[in-house]
Amino acid sequence: QSALTQPASVSGSPGQSITISCTGTSSDVGLYKSVSWYQQHPGKAPKVMIYEVSNRPSGVSNRFSGSKSGNTASLTISGLQAEDEAAYYCSSYGSDSALVFGTGTMVTVL
Amino acid sequence: QVQLQESGPGLVKPSQTLSLTCTVSGGSISNNNYYWSWIRQPAGKGLEWVGYIYSSGSTNYNPSLESRVTISIDASKNQFSLELSSVTAADTAVYYCARGTYSGYDFWFGPWGQGTLVTVSS
Repeated sequence: QSALTQPASVSGSPGQSITISCTGTSSDVGLYKSVSWYQQHPGKAPKVMIYEVSNRPSGVSNRFSGSKSGNTASLTISGLQAEDEAAYYCSSYGSDSALVFGTGTMVTVL
Repeated sequence: QVQLQESGPGLVKPSQTLSLTCTVSGGSISNNNYYWSWIRQPAGKGLEWVGYIYSSGSTNYNPSLESRVTISIDASKNQFSLELSSVTAADTAVYYCARGTYSGYDFWFGPWGQGTLVTVSS
């Protein structure tokens, strides 16, 4: 069970849009809707931002959106704000009923 | 609003068993819609799923930890617990408990506890 692959860091200026990728296999990310995304600020617990590839929980800003193509999922943050500076993790529930997280991406707002 | 809180020793000796408890408030742990979960995070590193337990008592563990992990549930106290045996320094991490939701397609965690640091050292 290998961690999903994410870029170590992504940066952008306030107001810009950034996209974080998450690459897995046909046994996890490539499955129908099996991708979630989490935001984690330093010293805090993660918070779910996206589930089932593109659904936002109640209370999450619509500046966050998710998509998927094949074995790669993406999280896009539009209208980047200072408060979006955090670590982001994808996760997937695989065909073997095991959960796997991504390697994590640090988002920096310039 | 459901809240979760981890508790347990912050220091465990190598080869011993790590034991943590998660207390759930604001909702019943016997709710059949949720999976009560443990996730850990070594300092400066990523998240690792440890395992979960359903209200019925059925469990699912990370294959890499399965031989050492036991998750149990105490509905009378609205708590669930983690035991990790034969610990080494590699098990040093912040341990989070969280409520898991499974939709038939995806599995996600929320809310989460604040996390508790467990250090394995003699």
